[in-house]
Amino acid sequence: AQKITQTQPGMFVQEKEAVTLDCTYDTSDQSYGLFWYKQPSSGEMIFLIYQGSYDEQNATEGRYSLNFQKARKSANLVISASQLGDSAMYFCAMREDILTGGGNKLTFGTGTQLKVEL
Amino acid sequence: DGGITQSPKYLFRKEGQNVTLSCEQNLNHDAMYWYRQDPGQGLRLIYYSQIVNDFQKGDIAEGYSVSREKKESFPLTVTSAQKNPTAFYLCASSKDRALILPQHFGDGTRLSIL
Repeated sequence: AQKITQTQPGMFVQEKEAVTLDCTYDTSDQSYGLFWYKQPSSGEMIFLIYQGSYDEQNATEGRYSLNFQKARKSANLVISASQLGDSAMYFCAMREDILTGGGNKLTFGTGTQLKVEL
Repeated sequence: DGGITQSPKYLFRKEGQNVTLSCEQNLNHDAMYWYRQDPGQGLRLIYYSQIVNDFQKGDIAEGYSVSREKKESFPLTVTSAQKNPTAFYLCASSKDRALILPQHFGDGTRLSIL
């Protein structure tokens, strides 16, 4: 089974609108972390936001927020007030429990290509 | 400014040839990682190192080798045993070995077969 699933290969959103990028994960660990990265066409990976499994509040960073639903094993990224510069590939990634040997690496999903339109 | 430098940006390999991708960081990070990215796919871990003179295989280590002789440097060699090396290679580092803190990435190297 895929550890990280991003079911939306591509998404379109109009400028200034909000958009939600889906991410579901699969782990039996109690302690884990979820990351979102942005990859523009130039290729570099830009860290956006992090959510720990024990964090009670949903993470927020500026226009980015993470809708963390632990029981559903989902960690959707919400981008508010989309801008043209948000057009990029977005990756969800998971770090599992270090005590079970998974804590020192990330597993990435296949990504969602977001296109922001005027 | 602190960061991760990957070189070269583009690299071409002939059949049967080994090539080495450079990754240097001045962030004083202990942990370093190499990922491979194929079109339409996410990143897959090749090798990682959490301390100098130590490294572990990731999910797709076959046909690759690494060294970690200095904290700042983590070069990746793509050997002739890697039959499909064409991909985008990303190097990353992390201050935190347990990955509570995010990884920082370089700008990548695009490797192609001649």
